[in-house]
Amino acid sequence: AQTVTQSQPEMSVQEAETVTLSCTYDTSESDYYLFWYKQPPSRQMILVIRQEAYKQQNATENRFSVNFQKAAKSFSLKISDSQLGDAAMYFCALMDSSYKLIFGSGTRLLVRP
Amino acid sequence: GAGVSQSPRYKVAKRGQDVALRCDPISGHVSLFWYQQALGQGPEFLTYFQNEAQLDKSGLPSDRFFAERPEGSVSTLKIQRTQQEDSAVYLCASRIGTANTEAFFGQGTRLTVV
Repeated sequence: AQTVTQSQPEMSVQEAETVTLSCTYDTSESDYYLFWYKQPPSRQMILVIRQEAYKQQNATENRFSVNFQKAAKSFSLKISDSQLGDAAMYFCALMDSSYKLIFGSGTRLLVRP
Repeated sequence: GAGVSQSPRYKVAKRGQDVALRCDPISGHVSLFWYQQALGQGPEFLTYFQNEAQLDKSGLPSDRFFAERPEGSVSTLKIQRTQQEDSAVYLCASRIGTANTEAFFGQGTRLTVV
């Protein structure tokens, strides 16, 4: 069975600083996708960044980047130059050939002004 | 529409009451998913439609849960004889294709069973 684990229930970062959110996963498939979603209080899931497992290069989207370690089944999210608007719940998710998303339990990110 | 629309945004039901939750996906999106998100948890898969066909309903927690998408666009998630453990946010997501395309989520329906 596929599982996604986020071991940090809550993280705090000073505005303009960098923070890394951790995620590990387990799947028996060789072809899959990994995602980080942001969920603000409005509840709408917003895609932050995605990574195809077959790509060795780590994905980057502006201030957001990932550290994808396929052998270790690790997929961490780094947020640089943190902004107040980054405060939200962050969910790591795995999608395999079944097309459905398997989510972790989430990390609440607090940004201190 | 511009995004995935869900209604109602909030629903309070008395235990034993039937409820129906609606999802309007982005026009033309083939795939539609329902997820259940309990308080403080990540969303959990309930069911998946490809057009009007329900291809996977393995996540539905009991036979009190039923979903349909009769014309391949709007979908309804129905919960019969609601129980307190059904209290959660129900999220709908749609995708233009099947596999490696972005899923767009609605704002969810928060169901509270009292």
